[in-house]
Amino acid sequence: DGGITQSPKYLFRKEGQNVTLSCEQNLNHDAMYWYRQDPGQGLRLIYYSQIVNDFQKGDIAEGYSVSREKKESFPLTVTSAQKNPTAFYLCASSMGAETQYFGPGTRLLVL
Amino acid sequence: SQKIEQNSEALNIQEGKTATLTCNYTNYSPAYLQWYRQDPGRGPVFLLLIRENEKEKRKERLKVTFDTTLKQSLFHITASQPADSATYLCALSLLTGGGNKLTFGTGTQLKVEL
Repeated sequence: DGGITQSPKYLFRKEGQNVTLSCEQNLNHDAMYWYRQDPGQGLRLIYYSQIVNDFQKGDIAEGYSVSREKKESFPLTVTSAQKNPTAFYLCASSMGAETQYFGPGTRLLVL
Repeated sequence: SQKIEQNSEALNIQEGKTATLTCNYTNYSPAYLQWYRQDPGRGPVFLLLIRENEKEKRKERLKVTFDTTLKQSLFHITASQPADSATYLCALSLLTGGGNKLTFGTGTQLKVEL
């Protein structure tokens, strides 16, 4: 089955802890994206990558970091500098400049 | 500043009627506009894309219009069913030098009642 997987489904973070959210795709897409969604709000772009070994900041990159060492993988680290990390995190990928395909999401909660 | 507006209030309609959702934008000149469906606790799913030089696009019971003069897109679901109940998001793409960056509206929740 082709698609995007995200893990874990739920993630708990303690104060001062860095946590990493996984995103894998087997669609052979060049571009990958990370969004954050808060209740009643639209998706906001955190980081995106158009090609392996390259990525750009989105609208709300502070407190987050990413890497793109493989085409299939685009992990997101929520660092301790992100003071309000509780949200629903969505990963997406696209081949060209059009449709984005989304994963099932990871819900991050702070203990 | 750039802004995308969708009705924040939920839209309740009766089964079999046509649902019409609105997406208005300001200070954008989008290359194209997309509509996605999102169910609770899940990722959005792509429905339709319409380009700036297209006035209307259809797919089965779905129809999208795009008026770049009014800066508005309308999304219609005809013969609506309870299974159409979900949140519908519009997204604009500017095709800037930074690649395909989509900017999303906040979404409109649709409830189709029996």
